[in-house]
Amino acid sequence: QVQLQESGPGLVKPSETLSLTCAVSGYSISSGYFWGWVRQPPGKGLEWIGSIFHSGTTYYNPSLKSRLTLSVDTSKNQVSLKLNSVTAADTAVYYCARPRSAYLLPFDSWGQGTLVTVSS
Amino acid sequence: QSVLTQPPSVSGAPGQRITISCTGSSSNIGAGYDVHWYQHLPGTPPKLLIYDNSNRPSGVPDRFSGSKSGASAFLAITGLQAEDEADYYCQSYDRTLSASPFGGGTKLTVL
Repeated sequence: QVQLQESGPGLVKPSETLSLTCAVSGYSISSGYFWGWVRQPPGKGLEWIGSIFHSGTTYYNPSLKSRLTLSVDTSKNQVSLKLNSVTAADTAVYYCARPRSAYLLPFDSWGQGTLVTVSS
Repeated sequence: QSVLTQPPSVSGAPGQRITISCTGSSSNIGAGYDVHWYQHLPGTPPKLLIYDNSNRPSGVPDRFSGSKSGASAFLAITGLQAEDEADYYCQSYDRTLSASPFGGGTKLTVL
């Protein structure tokens, strides 16, 4: 069974870059599947951030596209997220997730999530 | 503001039936894209409840059901239980945005 674990700094300063990794175990990323990122700001709903295929094909939330980069590292079996020029509005619990099949959706495997706070 | 619209809240007494709507447009649900539903409890990752409009993953009770009509989808919960109190989200694909947005979420309160 696939397991996902997010990691990264819990505190990021405004205007800097938020960097997270999602370590995948129980499945080889190079074998296929999309890998997605979802976030939930405090007191708000779920927001789809973007998804990346194992080959590197990406789908980004249009509202984040100009600041967002998703990547895969098959040698480390992990997926990464970089969001630059962050503001307080980027404070959220960030989840990585994998769909139940070879399509973009739906997500049925999730990491536990990691809280990232943007503050000086 | 999501392109998928859900009521902010619904409520029901134990044992009752409730439905949650997810209204989209001809760019997403109305275009034929599948709708998926998640249950989200505080402090835990979302849980897939219904996929491809009406299918339940193994382990999800048959009290939960999904349907789709035109540009809208619906999640129904029968025999409400206290443990069903959670936030529920729909998700689909939008071809205009080339994105997979969630609905705004619906908070279910079991009275």
